[in-house]
Amino acid sequence: EPEVTQTPSHQVTQMGQEVILRCVPISNHLYFYWYRQILGQKVEFLVSFYNNEISEKSEIFDDQFSVERPDGSNFTLKIRSTKLEDSAMYFCASTRLAGYYNEQFFGPGTRLTVL
Amino acid sequence: ELKVEQNPLFLSMQEGKNYTIYCNYSTTSDRLYWYRQDPGKSLESLFVLLSNGAVKQEGRLMASLDTKARLSTLHITAAVHDLSATYFCAVLMEYGNKLVFGAGTILRVKS
Repeated sequence: EPEVTQTPSHQVTQMGQEVILRCVPISNHLYFYWYRQILGQKVEFLVSFYNNEISEKSEIFDDQFSVERPDGSNFTLKIRSTKLEDSAMYFCASTRLAGYYNEQFFGPGTRLTVL
Repeated sequence: ELKVEQNPLFLSMQEGKNYTIYCNYSTTSDRLYWYRQDPGKSLESLFVLLSNGAVKQEGRLMASLDTKARLSTLHITAAVHDLSATYFCAVLMEYGNKLVFGAGTILRVKS
């Protein structure tokens, strides 16, 4: 069964460093998302992406964040200058269509630890 | 802005007992999802509820949706230890495609 994959599973970085989190969505999916979950808290939407552009972003997704689909398979989230409060689990999700039946399939997550 | 509230936030129950988790949301939507999360793991889709009155069952779990009351329930029947996890409900925004999650219910089933 196709699934969303994410790499790395755990990333440790120093404050101020840039990190890139990678996702491979399900191959025939067209809509891609990033969510994050700070330890012990709820899952929060960051950004959605369709047709090579951001379709929606949250207040969390400020200028330090960017997303890209550099090729036909990868979907990346870049944090330019990490802060301690960026430490969280980051989940990528994808869906084939928007609209009525829109189940988002989640990847296993990348745990980001900022020291 | 859409708010999603779950209660209880923590539930400790004995094996064999029944209980219900509630999910209230603040604006119109007829698309609600239930996920299970084990510690340190990803979100496992349990139920997709797409219309008023939808009821779905899988094993000891049953989910329902009342869009008029803006309420979904996740009912646990005869709990077993393996059901211990965190359960999230999530509502799809009526406009746009983002999911708004509740705070989660930590379920501990004691044997």
